[in-house]
Amino acid sequence: SQTIHQWPATLVQPVGSPLSLECTVEGTSNPNLYWYRQAAGRGLQLLFYSVGIGQISSEVPQNLSASRPQDRQFILSSKKLLLSDSGFYLCAWSPSLKGLKAGELFFGEGSRLTVL
Amino acid sequence: QKEVEQNSGPLSVPEGAIASLNCTYSDRGSQSFFWYRQYSGKSPELIMFIYSNGDKEDGRFTAQLNKASQYVSLLIRDSQPSDSATYLCAVKTNSGYSTLTFGKGTMLLVSP
Repeated sequence: SQTIHQWPATLVQPVGSPLSLECTVEGTSNPNLYWYRQAAGRGLQLLFYSVGIGQISSEVPQNLSASRPQDRQFILSSKKLLLSDSGFYLCAWSPSLKGLKAGELFFGEGSRLTVL
Repeated sequence: QKEVEQNSGPLSVPEGAIASLNCTYSDRGSQSFFWYRQYSGKSPELIMFIYSNGDKEDGRFTAQLNKASQYVSLLIRDSQPSDSATYLCAVKTNSGYSTLTFGKGTMLLVSP
């Protein structure tokens, strides 16, 4: 069966510090991978998605970046965190399907980031 | 700008009642619709998806879709306190890859 893991689960970082969140998927190959952010009072916001190694699409301009160095690894980074980067970050994967039924997302446990 | 709207709630229902959660979307090109449940502090999990007009039932859950009116709803029969969570509506447009637009969610509280 497929599993998804992301870490760290919780972190508190000062403004201006770097960030690295990591996500790995097991039990499947060539998944679509996603980074979402859920800020207080706001919905799930898609940050990045990837359909293959080295292929990253950005949905929202910001000081964050994403990379996919391996098929089942997705990394979210920042060089300098802002207060507004605080939130609950969720990695997700979906089968690499197209069509009506495509879109079922499987989420990791989430990483709660507080920027002070 | 694709938008998905939900009443933030909370929607309070007594145990055993029917909970009705609603969602409207702006993009007429939307083809697939998903309901996720999110417990406080946890990640979302898929409950149901629907892509044809009408009703789709799965246990105590029924998803309803009306593309002409651009709304989708989720009914929970015989509501239980364990159903207390935030329910997220998500919409996928008819594009090749799977990117979903989520609503902000409706908080459901089921009282014993």
